[in-house]
Amino acid sequence: EDKVVQSPLSLVVHEGDTVTLNCSYEVTNFRSLLWYKQEKKAPTFLFMLTSSGIEKKSGRLSSILDKKELFSILNITATQTGDSAIYLCAPQTGGFKTIFGAGTRLFVKA
Amino acid sequence: EAQVTQNPRYLITVTGKKLTVTCSQNMNHEYMSWYRQDPGLGLRQIYYSMNVEVTDKGDVPEGYKVSRKEKRNFPLILESPSPNQTSLYFCASSLIGQGRGRTEAFFGQGTRLTVV
Repeated sequence: EDKVVQSPLSLVVHEGDTVTLNCSYEVTNFRSLLWYKQEKKAPTFLFMLTSSGIEKKSGRLSSILDKKELFSILNITATQTGDSAIYLCAPQTGGFKTIFGAGTRLFVKA
Repeated sequence: EAQVTQNPRYLITVTGKKLTVTCSQNMNHEYMSWYRQDPGLGLRQIYYSMNVEVTDKGDVPEGYKVSRKEKRNFPLILESPSPNQTSLYFCASSLIGQGRGRTEAFFGQGTRLTVV
């Protein structure tokens, strides 16, 4: 059965801190892994990862995939209050089915 | 503006009354998908489509139907809604395939459905 585990479930940090969010997965015939940020309503796309060891970056956010150990991490440096959100990890199978993790709820204190 | 548009945004209906939630995207994406989001259960995929006339079941397809007659539209149909289908529904679309030098994925704003 396909499974996605995100950790920690929730995290409270102060502005300026660096955080690392984890996603481990077991899916059938893995194709890719997507990260999303969900604030009030709809998730917004952050990254799509398909190859191991290649870091994707966007501003203060970065992510990397390890297909051998079946995990991905999302790093956020110099956190800001606007980073407060739920971060969702979503591996995709070879058949393009998408399985979402439960998410990590991040709260950044001013 | 690139977007995924869902309608309606809010809907209250009665058990057994057929309804359709529409989803349209203007980005020429091949891949479209429907999810439901419930407290404690997260986002679960209902159906997805890789292109016109190609649809597949996700993790929770029971009680739902979809169709993909045109690339831009992917309606979700509840033939006989029941209270356990009360949920927040999202439609999403994305590009398929790597090596195109561009990756993007968009969600619609959500449809909050209540079945009484």
